[in-house]
Amino acid sequence: EAGVAQSPRYKIIEKRQSVAFWCNPISGHATLYWYQQILGQGPKLLIQFQNNGVVDDSQLPKDRFSAERLKGVDSTLKIQPAKLEDSAVYLCASSPGLAPFLHFGEGSWLTVV
Amino acid sequence: AQSVTQPDIHITVSEGASLELRCNYSYGATPYLFWYVQSPGQGLQLLLKYFSGDTLVQGIKGFEAEFKRSQSSFNLRKPSVHWSDAAEYFCAVEVGRDDKIIFGKGTRLHILP
Repeated sequence: EAGVAQSPRYKIIEKRQSVAFWCNPISGHATLYWYQQILGQGPKLLIQFQNNGVVDDSQLPKDRFSAERLKGVDSTLKIQPAKLEDSAVYLCASSPGLAPFLHFGEGSWLTVV
Repeated sequence: AQSVTQPDIHITVSEGASLELRCNYSYGATPYLFWYVQSPGQGLQLLLKYFSGDTLVQGIKGFEAEFKRSQSSFNLRKPSVHWSDAAEYFCAVEVGRDDKIIFGKGTRLHILP
């Protein structure tokens, strides 16, 4: 089975620019997560989708971050405008539902300069 | 508030020695519990999980973990570490029953030859 795909793997942008990350979950997985992992810290949940509905986005900085899940499959996470503190790895994970069993992608590394 | 605590930021052990990584959680009910491993530049890989039943769970790569309800702990163990075990280890907890997963800050494991 194909794993969780993320792109781009690496991105360097200047502050105040925008960036978008794409995630394609494992086929059939109903739940999709975006996590932010700052260097030296554990992953922090930004947003969780169940199919194409949002389950939890309590830690998503909504003034600059947005996310959508198209037709309950692929998802895009956007940051606009970026700040220096947004430099992190953005991890996408999916789960088949019923019981949480996260499958992670390799992450998208963002550096804001 | 729900939380996951990994009290050790770094641990160093000699190759062939035993290992125990600590994890404590704060949550009202019995949660689902997980351990993930992250090698440099990689995504997170599930080592093992506890949902219910036997409190000693076996995982991949020779790891095991024991759930102790009285101590709100889920410590990870391995009887004999290999140099390839050097990585960062994250304890995670499902909070609520909507598959929301939160992570600890991680423990970085260093192996001495």
